[in-house]
Amino acid sequence: KQEVTQIPAALSVPEGENLVLNCSFTDSAIYNLQWFRQDPGKGLTSLLLIQSSQREQTSGRLNASLDKSSGRSTLYIAASQPGDSATYLCAVSGRGSTLGRLYFGRGTQLTVWP
Amino acid sequence: DADVTQTPRNRITKTGKRIMLECSQTKGHDRMYWYRQDPGLGLRLIYYSFDVKDINKGEISDGYSVSRQAQAKFSLSLESAIPNQTALYFCATSDSLTSGRFYDEQFFGPGTRLTVL
Repeated sequence: KQEVTQIPAALSVPEGENLVLNCSFTDSAIYNLQWFRQDPGKGLTSLLLIQSSQREQTSGRLNASLDKSSGRSTLYIAASQPGDSATYLCAVSGRGSTLGRLYFGRGTQLTVWP
Repeated sequence: DADVTQTPRNRITKTGKRIMLECSQTKGHDRMYWYRQDPGLGLRLIYYSFDVKDINKGEISDGYSVSRQAQAKFSLSLESAIPNQTALYFCATSDSLTSGRFYDEQFFGPGTRLTVL
């Protein structure tokens, strides 16, 4: 069964810092990897999706990389802002019989203070 | 207007009651999913449907049932609610293999907070 782990579980940084969130998964046979943001009491917002054939994706101050063979992904946030404070979730989509099913990590709770 | 909507947004009920959570989407996606989120446990898949005639169990389907009434509507029922079903429930959608751009990017609704007393 696919297991997804996110480190650290929580992170508190001052505004302006560049930071890295880590995600690892046990089964490298994935279709894609998706990073989400979740604000307290709210739904999930898709930030970036990396297909299994890709190495990275960028959107604004966010950059996500994927090393499928080692089962790792990182989300890089440049010049962090207080508005970035949220929980960040990593999820991988399976292949074959598990195609379409997302397996989630428990998230990294990020606090950016002014 | 939101692409994926869920009703109700909050619900408090008692043990043994039957509850239905509803999900509607205007994204035109074929695939729909139900997840639950528990503090410290992440999201887990309950049921998923790849089209109107296709329903599949996820990791934690016991105690739940679903109905796909139309391409745009997917309902989750708790036949006899119990306290450990207290959680945040999310509906999600994604494109299908036939769409020509199948990346399986999933889009989530705002969630339903369910409390079972």
